[in-house]
Formats: sequence, C-alpha cells, structure tokens
Amino acid sequence: QSALTQPAFVSGSPGQSITIPCTGTSRDIGSYNHVSWYQQHPGKAPKVILYEVTERPSGVSDRLSGSKSGNTASLTISGLQADDEADYYCSSYAGGSILVFGGGTKLTVL
Amino acid sequence: QVQLQESGPGLVKPSETLTLTCSVSGGSIMGTTYYWGWVRQPPGKGLEWIGNVFHTGSTSYSPSLKSRVHISVDTSKDQFSLRLSSVTAADSAVYYCARRQGYFYVMDLWGQGTPVTVSS
Repeated sequence: QSALTQPAFVSGSPGQSITIPCTGTSRDIGSYNHVSWYQQHPGKAPKVILYEVTERPSGVSDRLSGSKSGNTASLTISGLQADDEADYYCSSYAGGSILVFGGGTKLTVL
Repeated sequence: QVQLQESGPGLVKPSETLTLTCSVSGGSIMGTTYYWGWVRQPPGKGLEWIGNVFHTGSTSYSPSLKSRVHISVDTSKDQFSLRLSSVTAADSAVYYCARRQGYFYVMDLWGQGTPVTVSS
C-alpha cells in the first residue's frame, strides 16, 4: 500500500476558503468511506478533525468539511483563521485491516 | 477521560530491538469497539501507520514493517507494547500510541508521542 497523495503546501488569506485534496486508488479511498483527516500543530500530536469522509467529532468547527469523489477525498476549510495554520494529513482504510496516511500538507495562513 | 502515555528508551542502537509501551488510563483497554495502535513520524516527515492490536491479541501490521513488528497487549495492566526489530537510522522518529475506533478506522485519541533515535 502506497501513501495517499497530498500537495505539500497550501496557503490562503484570513477569511478565505482552501481545499486540500487527498488522492488514493480504487483499493483505498475509491472503495471505502473510512477517510479521516488530522490536524497537527508543531510539536503536538495529531488531532482528528473529520472521519467517515464528512463527519466532524464533537468540538470541531463547522468551518471544516469533507467530501469524496472517486479516488480523491478533500478537506475544505472556510473562513480561514490564523489558528488553522498547521499540517493536515488524510488517512484511509485500505482493506485487510490496513490503514494508510497521506504525505501531509502544510497550510500557511498569509 | 481516557489518556494514553508512551514510555520507553529514547536511544536504541542499530540492529537492536526498539520496545515501547503505551499505558491507558481513565478507562479499560478491554473496550469492545476500540483497537490500540502505533503511528510514527520521522523528523520533518509525515505520519506512518505501524499497526494495531485488539484486546484479544489480534493484530494487523503495515505491510512495509510486518516482518519486523510485533504489537502485544497486557489487559491486566491496561497496556500495549510495540517491538520493532533490527532497527536502523531510518527508524528514528516520534512514536505515537493511539486508539482506533473499530468500525470507522479513525485514530480518535493520541498519546503525546515519544522520540526515539537509532544511533550507536
């Protein structure tokens, strides 16, 4: 199983919206809705922000949303805020009880 | 609330075996809907799933690490452990233990992480 593909860097200005794509294959994202997104601030542990493509854990802002089309899942953050600046990782179930992560995207708020 | 805490040596010699333990507090490792796993992050790089274990001892591992990894569980202590054999410098990373929701395949609770360096 190869890592899922994410852009290394994404940026946006405060108040704008950005989208981070996560591309997999028909063996992972294309076959299952078990797609999650994690936010990681420097020096901190990752924190889940979306699961099952679109579901937000309690306490996560509704400015964050997810979607999936074919082999690609996406995270959209609307109304960008300074605290959104972090690294974002997608993950997907890949069959056979295996999980795979994306390479990560560094979001810069300009 | 449930918390996870990693423990183990921060320095391991090449070719030796890395052993880490994760202690679960505030709850039981026997929960029927949770799996317990390990994720690592080399310096400046992304997350890599290593594997997980159910309280029954059933395991699943990353195909790329499967030949060197063993994850076990001690329900009497509410702990689970990672053993990674024949380590090299490429295994230097921050190692996180995490709880995985059984059906949703999401890591919903993480330890703070522990750095491990492989060096002689």
